[in-house]
Amino acid sequence: DIVMTQSPDSLAVSLGERATINCKSSQSVLYSSNNKNYLAWYQQKPRQPPKLLIYWASTRESGVPDRFSGSGSGTDFTLTISSLQAEDVAVYYCQQYYTTPLTFGPGTKVDIK
Amino acid sequence: EVQLLESGGGLVQPGGSVRLSCVASGFTFNNYAMSWVRQAPGKGLEWVSSISGGGGKTYYADSVKGRFTISRDNPKNTFYLQMRSLRAEDTAIYYCAKEQPGIGVARDAFDNWGQGTLVTVSS
Repeated sequence: DIVMTQSPDSLAVSLGERATINCKSSQSVLYSSNNKNYLAWYQQKPRQPPKLLIYWASTRESGVPDRFSGSGSGTDFTLTISSLQAEDVAVYYCQQYYTTPLTFGPGTKVDIK
Repeated sequence: EVQLLESGGGLVQPGGSVRLSCVASGFTFNNYAMSWVRQAPGKGLEWVSSISGGGGKTYYADSVKGRFTISRDNPKNTFYLQMRSLRAEDTAIYYCAKEQPGIGVARDAFDNWGQGTLVTVSS
């Protein structure tokens, strides 16, 4: 199984400041035949289902604000919130869909400092 | 607008069974792979099972293999999770999720999620 790890477990950032979340997979999720990273990021607010933010590691889902961006390749990935807003308080999960079992990271909780 | 509505959750005794349903609308249901993802209280997300658009391919997490069965009824725009031999550790909110357009099953991100249905396994 591909194990996903995230760091930090939680972070508190001032409004308008940058938040950075890291995700690491135990093996590469880059598929060589199409050069795509099978990595997604989700946002989950309290008492809500997850919401897709980023797929293919760096493609923003339709309707997602451009302050959210994803980067990385192979085994190391980053989700960046360029200017944190109050509505961004949530838990963020990375997920690999390179192979089954599909696996999620443990989540990173983002709060306002 | 895509909508996914789960039902069937509730309190179940250990060793018991329950069937979850997810009714879909707002997209051509049989063109998309669908999945179940669960979340134990206060915990993270765990993929449970996926099924192809036509229903011919299914995948399961090891933790549920042999106990859970995923299926779908495309004319009814509905898919299911039959859960048997339930254990306390199966207690979770079960979300149904739609995969993005793609050529396979369990090979794309989940672009739409239902609100979830809570299954509690307890005596």
